[in-house]
Amino acid sequence: ETGVTQSPTHLIKTRGQQVTLRCSSQSGHNTVSWYQQALGQGPQFIFQYYREEENGRGNFPPRFSGLQFPNYSSELNVNALELDDSALYLCASSWGTAMNTEAFFGQGTRLTVV
Amino acid sequence: GIQVEQSPPDLILQEGANSTLRCNFSDSVNNLQWFHQNPWGQLINLFYIPSGTKQNGRLSATTVATERYSLLYISSSQTTDSGVYFCAVERADKSTFGDGTTLTVKP
Repeated sequence: ETGVTQSPTHLIKTRGQQVTLRCSSQSGHNTVSWYQQALGQGPQFIFQYYREEENGRGNFPPRFSGLQFPNYSSELNVNALELDDSALYLCASSWGTAMNTEAFFGQGTRLTVV
Repeated sequence: GIQVEQSPPDLILQEGANSTLRCNFSDSVNNLQWFHQNPWGQLINLFYIPSGTKQNGRLSATTVATERYSLLYISSSQTTDSGVYFCAVERADKSTFGDGTTLTVKP
């Protein structure tokens, strides 16, 4: 049990729709990072939020956006969903930037786009 | 960007055997972690090891940062060790995962 919780656990959306995924970070952590994991691949870094600001981003288009709240929980928003967005979405929390210190992951949200 | 290569991609062992998983990375990194992903998708922290050697029970890890590789050792493997093992590195506020090693331990 890492103390990082994600919701929902599963989600089915239609192509073109928008989706919001949520992550509650572990107590005492001020950084949240989001990852996309396609079947059979390693997680791909989407972006990271540190103290409510984005301070690192992977190779994902602008329709992937996020927020971090004063309590350090976070949202991942994806607009104009495409079939290829179907994946497991993972968030991780840590103290400090990305993996500058040990990062702990939630159980993930499995998104299916049909 | 930085490249992370894990080997072997797949490994099948008999229970009780030992194994070594390798992670090579193409540039200097700030940090490195090893994870085990369970069948439900949860990534479990094994080691936070930017350099040096650590041990935790039957598992140990070594990172030689100057030579850009890390090794994960599993001794006396058990069926519960099965799953996918990932290494992940961090550089310039971006983290990169390898594609993992899928370990199957047979009874």
